[in-house]
Amino acid sequence: AQKITQTQPGMFVQEKEAVTLDCTYDTSDQSYGLFWYKQPSSGEMIFLIYQGSYDEQNATEGRYSLNFQKARKSANLVISASQLGDSAMYFCAMREGHDYKLSFGAGTTVTVRA
Amino acid sequence: EAGVVQSPRYKIIEKKQPVAFWCNPISGHNTLYWYLQNLGQGPELLIRYENEEAVDDSQLPKDRFSAERLKGVDSTLKIQPAELGDSAVYLCASSPRQGVVGELFFGEGSRLTVL
Repeated sequence: AQKITQTQPGMFVQEKEAVTLDCTYDTSDQSYGLFWYKQPSSGEMIFLIYQGSYDEQNATEGRYSLNFQKARKSANLVISASQLGDSAMYFCAMREGHDYKLSFGAGTTVTVRA
Repeated sequence: EAGVVQSPRYKIIEKKQPVAFWCNPISGHNTLYWYLQNLGQGPELLIRYENEEAVDDSQLPKDRFSAERLKGVDSTLKIQPAELGDSAVYLCASSPRQGVVGELFFGEGSRLTVL
């Protein structure tokens, strides 16, 4: 079974607007971590934000925030005030229990229009 | 601080030829990963090292793929012989043993094209 599901293959957003990228996950572990990575055309995976399963507050890092809804098993990424440099592929990933392996979703391509 | 360094960035080979990829992790990072990323998909783990020990190689196709991490620092991933379906990006990542969050730090990847 797919552990991470990203249903939006591609999205367009106007510069300075906010965009929400969907991510749902599947795990039976009580302890897990959720990650978002950005992959620009250069190919490097850049860590953006992390949410632990026991964290009571939604994670925020600058213009990135994670909308964590545990009961629905969703961990959506919100990018506020989009910039042209935000155009990239975005991946949601999960680490289960004490395993250091990350399982990635298929990704969502974001294109920011001027 | 230098990031994860991979080489070569691009490699084009004929099928049945061998190919090798090299990775130098961030200094002090004990854990090293090799991931395979097919076009339009998320990365998939091939192998994970803790120092020089391969602790998870269950997804590595051992008939043609091999990896090593001598001295627990640099790592090499080899494919012999390469097949058309091996065309992909091979990503190396590292993480510190005691990372609070446990995020992985990735290199820019090695893009392989098999003709």
